[in-house]
Amino acid sequence: DQQVKQNSPSLSVQEGRISILNCDYTNSMFDYFLWYKKYPAEGPTFLISISSIKDKNEDGRFTVFLNKSAKHLSLHIVPSQPGDSAVYFCAASVEYGNKLVFGAGTILRVKS
Amino acid sequence: ETGVTQTPRHLVMGMTNKKSLKCEQHLGHNAMYWYKQSAKKPLELMFVYNFKEQTENNSVPSRFSPECPNSSHLFLHLHTLQPEDSALYLCASSQRGMNYGYTFGSGTRLTVV
Repeated sequence: DQQVKQNSPSLSVQEGRISILNCDYTNSMFDYFLWYKKYPAEGPTFLISISSIKDKNEDGRFTVFLNKSAKHLSLHIVPSQPGDSAVYFCAASVEYGNKLVFGAGTILRVKS
Repeated sequence: ETGVTQTPRHLVMGMTNKKSLKCEQHLGHNAMYWYKQSAKKPLELMFVYNFKEQTENNSVPSRFSPECPNSSHLFLHLHTLQPEDSALYLCASSQRGMNYGYTFGSGTRLTVV
């Protein structure tokens, strides 16, 4: 049973528009949520995180929203750029810096 | 070198071979991990090492054998693998208790023939 789910395998967005990637989780003990970005032939790289005491965290063009009651988080990228085209993984953990559980990833394609 | 380094980047092995994957981190982290990434599946946690002690084996078959000689190095020894074990194997490190997330290596693309 997957504890972290990314139900959209892929998303296609026009350059300059908003990209919204979604993630749902089932384990209410998760306290810390992260998004990773992965290019082909590279390992995932950390993008942005949020702890359960917050509902929003922003870093430049990237904003993560957390809805604990719905066990849902989302990543907003605005404006989207062609270089944002990658696989985005949602991840969660019970403890900082330990044992992340990942979703299956969403392939984002930003068209110019 | 900085970050997390994995070697080799690509590996093709027969089902009767024995090979090892190597991971090295230069970040001073105290936890290291092996993950498996198969196509269209979540990253699957295989093993967790904290302060070079194995703290988790996520029901991984015994044909995968991890080794952590010190907090900077992690190996995954492979023997008598199956074709379905072909995947991208990712090593990561982290500092437990700190909200930095993981730092991943670039992975080893393993093909079992």
